[in-house]
Amino acid sequence: GAGVSQSPSNKVTEKGKDVELRCDPISGHTALYWYRQSLGQGLEFLIYFQGNSAPDKSGLPSDRFSAERTGGSVSTLTIQRTQQEDSAVYLCASSPQRGGGTGELFFGEGSRLTVL
Amino acid sequence: QQQVKQSPQSLIVQKGGISIINCAYENTAFDYFPWYQQFPGKGPALLIAIRPDVSEKKEGRFTISFNKSAKQFSLHIMDSQPGDSATYFCAASIAGYALNFGKGTSLLVTP
Repeated sequence: GAGVSQSPSNKVTEKGKDVELRCDPISGHTALYWYRQSLGQGLEFLIYFQGNSAPDKSGLPSDRFSAERTGGSVSTLTIQRTQQEDSAVYLCASSPQRGGGTGELFFGEGSRLTVL
Repeated sequence: QQQVKQSPQSLIVQKGGISIINCAYENTAFDYFPWYQQFPGKGPALLIAIRPDVSEKKEGRFTISFNKSAKQFSLHIMDSQPGDSATYFCAASIAGYALNFGKGTSLLVTP
């Protein structure tokens, strides 16, 4: 497809389990972002990848969160030992380049994570 | 710390009315101020954006007003339509990098 693709769209897991969320950015986009959207909390920046540079991990809330981007394309966000407060929609966005000139981010539809 | 403060949290407007959403920021280094629109079950999508060298930008029924001295900017939706019902996020960043989003405004336009 032409847009950012995320999977799974919905994930229900038990507290303490690990989860992996996948993002396929728009082809050719060098920048990739992960955001977390919690009810009433807006969009929280998690991590940023730009080309082959070291990622900006400054938004990751704890060391249970990690992300990687393979081959400058697909990215996986991993949450270890999930907690109920991790329940949220995790949004991936890509951009043609840093700032994209316009700074426009193209978002996927998100992965809704529910931790029981 | 919330770098961009957005209000109101929710807004109900009659069809044909004007919807106004306000945002304020502290970091004077911010140089890019977009608004994103999000429909239920979808990701946010860029609606309109402004840079601080202009005080107003208009695209169709949507206008951003920017007040650099007050560190405030707002979105005006003229002739609001039921199809405009969505959540709106303001954001700010330096050179478009790592957007800092407001908490969002849920807009409902009644017929």
